[in-house]
Amino acid sequence: EAGVAQSPRYKIIEKRQSVAFWCNPISGHATLYWYQQILGQGPKLLIQFQNNGVVDDSQLPKDRFSAERLKGVDSTLKIQPAKLEDSAVYLCASSLDAGGWSGANVLTFGAGSRLTVL
Amino acid sequence: GNSVTQMEGPVTLSEEAFLTINCTYTATGYPSLFWYVQYPGEGLQLLLKATKADDKGSNKGFEATYRKETTSFHLEKGSVQVSDSAVYFCALGYYGGSQGNLIFGKGTKLSVKP
Repeated sequence: EAGVAQSPRYKIIEKRQSVAFWCNPISGHATLYWYQQILGQGPKLLIQFQNNGVVDDSQLPKDRFSAERLKGVDSTLKIQPAKLEDSAVYLCASSLDAGGWSGANVLTFGAGSRLTVL
Repeated sequence: GNSVTQMEGPVTLSEEAFLTINCTYTATGYPSLFWYVQYPGEGLQLLLKATKADDKGSNKGFEATYRKETTSFHLEKGSVQVSDSAVYFCALGYYGGSQGNLIFGKGTKLSVKP
């Protein structure tokens, strides 16, 4: 089974520039997540999609961050304009289904996209 | 709110030493508990999980028991190897309705020396 694919792996930009990250989840996984992992901290959820609808975006800084998941498969996370504090690894994850009680419903993470804002 | 607290790192051990990484949580209801591992240059990988009180998760010689009375999920391994060097994250999650995401601790870096 192919894993969660992310690109680019590394990106360096200057503040106020824009950047976009792409994620392709595991085939058949209905739920897709974007997490932000700042150096020395645990990942923090930015947005969760169920198919192509947003389930939770309460921690997404909507003045500069946007995300979409067209056709319920691939997803793009955009930052515009970037700030220094956006330097982090952006992790995409997917799971079979967020609904229902199931101990088997675990998240599979991609390798991440490391952003450096200068 | 829900949160996870892990022991501060880094933790440095010699090969074959006993490992304990403490994790405690604050949560409402009945979360599932997880340990994820992040090897250098790689993404997070699920190490083990427990979905209810008194469950023991185990994998690759690691184990952790879901203790509701102490709200803990400590990670243990009897004999660590150099290849266990990584960052370990404790997390909690709810699988019901729209709450499918995970809440992570800050991570504990483990270095094992030969």
